[in-house]
Amino acid sequence: EPEVTQTPSHQVTQMGQEVILRCVPISNHLYFYWYRQILGQKVEFLVSFYNNEISEKSEIFDDQFSVERPDGSNFTLKIRSTKLEDSAMYFCASSERWGQGGGAFFGQGTRLTVV
Amino acid sequence: GQQLNQSPQSMFIQEGEDVSMNCTSSSIFNTWLWYKQDPGEGPVLLIALYKAGELTSNGRLTAQFGITRKDSFLNISASIPSDVGIYFCAGLRDFGNEKLTFGTGTRLTIIP
Repeated sequence: EPEVTQTPSHQVTQMGQEVILRCVPISNHLYFYWYRQILGQKVEFLVSFYNNEISEKSEIFDDQFSVERPDGSNFTLKIRSTKLEDSAMYFCASSERWGQGGGAFFGQGTRLTVV
Repeated sequence: GQQLNQSPQSMFIQEGEDVSMNCTSSSIFNTWLWYKQDPGEGPVLLIALYKAGELTSNGRLTAQFGITRKDSFLNISASIPSDVGIYFCAGLRDFGNEKLTFGTGTRLTIIP
């Protein structure tokens, strides 16, 4: 069964460092997303990406964040200068098309710990 | 902002019991989704609802999209140990706007 894969599963970084979280969405999907979940809290939307551009972003997704689809399969989230409060699980998701029998499928997540 | 409130926050049940949880919003959502999340894992899609009033089943799971588009419920029949986890509802406001708003979650625990 096709699935969204994320690497690494756990990333520890020092405050102020740049991190890149990587995702391989399901191959025939058109919409890609990043969400995050701070420990014990609900899942929060960060950004959606369609047709090689950001279609929507949340207030959390400030200038320190960027996304890229560098080739036909990868989708990355970059945090330029990490802060302690960026520590969270980051989930990549993809969807084929809304309203046509699908929903967003999530990866296993990358646990980011900023120290 | 848009908020989805789930109730109950947590449930403690015995194996074999039926479970019912719901999700309400002050705003209209055009799509409702139910996800299950196990510890340290990503949310797994259980059921997607696209039409007001729609009732959809997936094995022992049944979910309904409220007529007002402001609520949804999820039922699990004859619970088993692997049903343990956190259940999240999620709403999509507009087609073409793919941002999912997640609910606060219902934690399901099965008492041996």
